[in-house]
Amino acid sequence: SQTIHQWPATLVQPVGSPLSLECTVEGTSNPNLYWYRQAAGRGLQLLFYSVGIGQISSEVPQNLSASRPQDRQFILSSKKLLLSDSGFYLCAWSVGSSRAVGQPQHFGDGTRLSIL
Amino acid sequence: GESVGLHLPTLSVQEGDNSIINCAYSNSASDYFIWYKQESGKGPQFIIDIRSNMDKRQGQRVTVLLNKTVKHLSLQIAATQPGDSAVYFCAEAKVAGGTSYGKLTFGQGTILTVHP
Repeated sequence: SQTIHQWPATLVQPVGSPLSLECTVEGTSNPNLYWYRQAAGRGLQLLFYSVGIGQISSEVPQNLSASRPQDRQFILSSKKLLLSDSGFYLCAWSVGSSRAVGQPQHFGDGTRLSIL
Repeated sequence: GESVGLHLPTLSVQEGDNSIINCAYSNSASDYFIWYKQESGKGPQFIIDIRSNMDKRQGQRVTVLLNKTVKHLSLQIAATQPGDSAVYFCAEAKVAGGTSYGKLTFGQGTILTVHP
């Protein structure tokens, strides 16, 4: 069965420090991968998605970047964190497909990021 | 842009009652819909999905109804249990004729509280 792992679960960082959040998926090949941010009491905002190694699409302009160095690894980064980067960051995967069929996304348990 | 929203932000029910959570979507071109359950501190968990060529789909204790005429989606939970207490999100996507990466647009969420 497929599993998705995110770490760390919680992170407290000072303003201006760098960030690296990692997400890995097991049990599937060539998945689509996604990074979301969720503000407290709100819905999910898509930040980045990737349909393959080295292929990253950004949904919103921001202080963050994403990379996919391996097929099942997705990394969210920042060179200098801002206070506004605080939030709950979620990674998700879905079946990669060349056909336009609906596929559910499956989420990890997130990283709670607090910027001080 | 297009958005998906929920009619009620909170819903309280007694254990054993049936729950109905509603969702309105504005993109008439959407053809794939998902319901997620999110417990505190965790990532969203896939519950059930439905494609636009269907108007009803049943799972274990859950039923999703789709009314394309009024662009309305609902999730029915039978015999609601305290363990069903969570935030429920609907999400929509346009997959046919578009990209195949499965981009979802999420609603804001409904808080379901089940009282013993």
